[in-house]
Amino acid sequence: QKEVEQNSGPLSVPEGAIASLNCTYSDRGSQSFFWYRQYSGKSPELIMSIYSNGDKEDGRFTAQLNKASQYVSLLIRDSQPSDSATYLCAVEKSSGDKLTFGTGTRLAVRP
Amino acid sequence: NAGVMQNPRHLVRRRGQEARLRCSPMKGHSHVYWYRQLPEEGLKFMVYLQKENIIDESGMPKERFSAEFPKEGPSILRIQQVVRGDSAAYFCASSPPQGGRGYTFGSGTRLTVV
Repeated sequence: QKEVEQNSGPLSVPEGAIASLNCTYSDRGSQSFFWYRQYSGKSPELIMSIYSNGDKEDGRFTAQLNKASQYVSLLIRDSQPSDSATYLCAVEKSSGDKLTFGTGTRLAVRP
Repeated sequence: NAGVMQNPRHLVRRRGQEARLRCSPMKGHSHVYWYRQLPEEGLKFMVYLQKENIIDESGMPKERFSAEFPKEGPSILRIQQVVRGDSAAYFCASSPPQGGRGYTFGSGTRLTVV
């Protein structure tokens, strides 16, 4: 079992729709969870972090965490073509430890 | 600009040569992480360093790869006797001492072995 699993996609949504990206992790003791966005040929960019169960909203982005189910998700509302990128889920087992990344989900937003 | 600085951006080496990749962390960050990304693949952890210390090198290949973060100067990832399979994007990231806030990544070094 991979430590962090994501569907590779591509996930295709029409402009203006909600994009839902999912991630599961294997280590139940993991403490911190992050979503990164990576455009083709560019470096990853941190867009959301979440540390406790529930939802965390920042603009059009909402991160959701369910530690009991070992599940993290990212919702993007009002998707725009500029949101088309690969979204990487990352998990930190303890503060200051390395991040373990999933392989990423490619999102394509159709105009 | 206080971002994570990596150089060179692109590096071409012939098989058997050495590659040296450099990374200067963000100001105030003392933790440096190196990751490798192959085309269409995720980020694979290689090594985690603090000044003058290797904290976790569990992702480093056993041979030809080494990393350092000296007291003065940038962190260096060194690949000796490169082979074609070493061709990848190598990303450096840094984080503040307290951790738990994710990383800031540099722009990466694209290594091509010919």
